[in-house]
Amino acid sequence: GAGVSQSPRYKVAKRGQDVALRCDPISGHVSLFWYQQALGQGPEFLTYFQNEAQLDKSGLPSDRFFAERPEGSVSTLKIQRTQQEDSAVYLCASSFDRRSSYNEQFFGPGTRLTVL
Amino acid sequence: QKEVEQNSGPLSVPEGAIASLNCTYSDRGSQSFFWYRQYSGKSPELIMSIYSNGDKEDGRFTAQLNKASQYVSLLIRDSQPSDSATYLCAVNTPGFQKLVFGTGTRLLVSP
Repeated sequence: GAGVSQSPRYKVAKRGQDVALRCDPISGHVSLFWYQQALGQGPEFLTYFQNEAQLDKSGLPSDRFFAERPEGSVSTLKIQRTQQEDSAVYLCASSFDRRSSYNEQFFGPGTRLTVL
Repeated sequence: QKEVEQNSGPLSVPEGAIASLNCTYSDRGSQSFFWYRQYSGKSPELIMSIYSNGDKEDGRFTAQLNKASQYVSLLIRDSQPSDSATYLCAVNTPGFQKLVFGTGTRLLVSP
C-alpha cells in the first residue's frame, strides 16, 4: 500500500526565500506530524495535527514556520524568509490511532532543504 | 539531562553476532517506546514498538522494556551486514502525541 509521500524531495533556497513543503499521509490516518532532523541528530518535533486541527505547535522554532492541514489530509509546512539554520531534513509522519499510548508513527521519505 | 539518551556508537559487531542497543529515558510517565532503523540518507523506519515491561520478539529483533529502571533495549540476533544503520529510540508520553527521539546509535555489522 501507499505510504507517506512528501514533495519536493530536495529543495535549494536562497536565504530570504519562502518555501512550502508538502506531505500526503497514509490514507485514513488521523494524525499527522512534522519533524526536523539535523545531520547526526534524531528527529525533533515541530507540530501535530489531528484531522484538520493543529493541536500542538510547540516545536516550531520561530514565527517564520507555519503549518496547515485544511481538509484533514494533505499538509503543508511553510517556512518564510529562510535562514541558513533552517537547512535540515523535514520529515512528515502519520498515525492512524489518535490514542497517544498506541501512537505508531510512519515516516515519509523527507524533504532535504538547503538554504544558501 | 536529555529526555532520551543513546550511545552514539559506532557499535561494531561481526556478522552472526548479537547486537545490543540501549536507550534510557527521563520521564517516568512515558508509556510507549519505539525503535526505528534509519539507513544513511533515508527516513526512519519503524521496526519495533513496546508498551509493557518485559520482552517482545519479532523475528530476529527483541525489544526489552524496564520501566522501573527507565531503559529500553533492542537486541538483533544473527546480525547481518544489511543491519548496518542508525537505530533511533523514541518515547511517547501520555498527553503528548509527539515522539521524543534519542540521537541514535550507529551499528556496523562486518562480514
